[in-house]
Amino acid sequence: DAGITQSPRHKVTETGTPVTLRCHQTENHRYMYWYRQDPGHGLRLIHYSYGVKDTDKGEVSDGYSVSRSKTEDFLLTLESATSSQTSVYFCAISESEGAGLYNEQFFGPGTRLTVL
Amino acid sequence: GQQVMQIPQYQHVQEGEDFTTYCNSSTTLSNIQWYKQRPGGHPVFLIQLVKSGEVKKQKRLTFQFGEAKKNSSLHITATQTTDVGTYFCAGPGNYGGATNKLIFGTGTLLAVQP
Repeated sequence: DAGITQSPRHKVTETGTPVTLRCHQTENHRYMYWYRQDPGHGLRLIHYSYGVKDTDKGEVSDGYSVSRSKTEDFLLTLESATSSQTSVYFCAISESEGAGLYNEQFFGPGTRLTVL
Repeated sequence: GQQVMQIPQYQHVQEGEDFTTYCNSSTTLSNIQWYKQRPGGHPVFLIQLVKSGEVKKQKRLTFQFGEAKKNSSLHITATQTTDVGTYFCAGPGNYGGATNKLIFGTGTLLAVQP
């Protein structure tokens, strides 16, 4: 498995509280992604990064912000968590952008977030 | 918006039976990828298909990319309990004109009874 860790692995929080999830990679890959996984929806892209301080929105970015100050770290922040953000969050990395060849994505172990 | 759908959502088979999952995109794809996610695990890349009509095999798994590059299939011959999991297809997404992110299908959960 690629060197990707996510922290925390599990978190329970209350509605309205801020939450930050961390993704850390040791592969020096340029591209990093945050997905959420919900039953019946597969994996949906929240935000992605194509370099340090370079980020872009995905399919379901409302209510989420990201930051990437170092190649190895990509942070996902829920400014004010809501129950609809209860989900499993996966970080992924890639050596190239998603549409080109050799663009497989390597996924971290996931973070299970529950918002009460 | 762009959608990638998979059928069936769930399939239960007896060990030794064959299994097929189908992936359909609302738009033409430059390539398609397949991932497997074991229960409680994370998605793991299986393969990428690029050419129209392409067929690739990995042991008991056969992947096919449609002629119009809008659909794909994964066929498993003689399933084993180790095949249990959710299989996802994924194609390049189109967000605001940029096609450099993946859209994942809804996934097919395969259960194999010994």
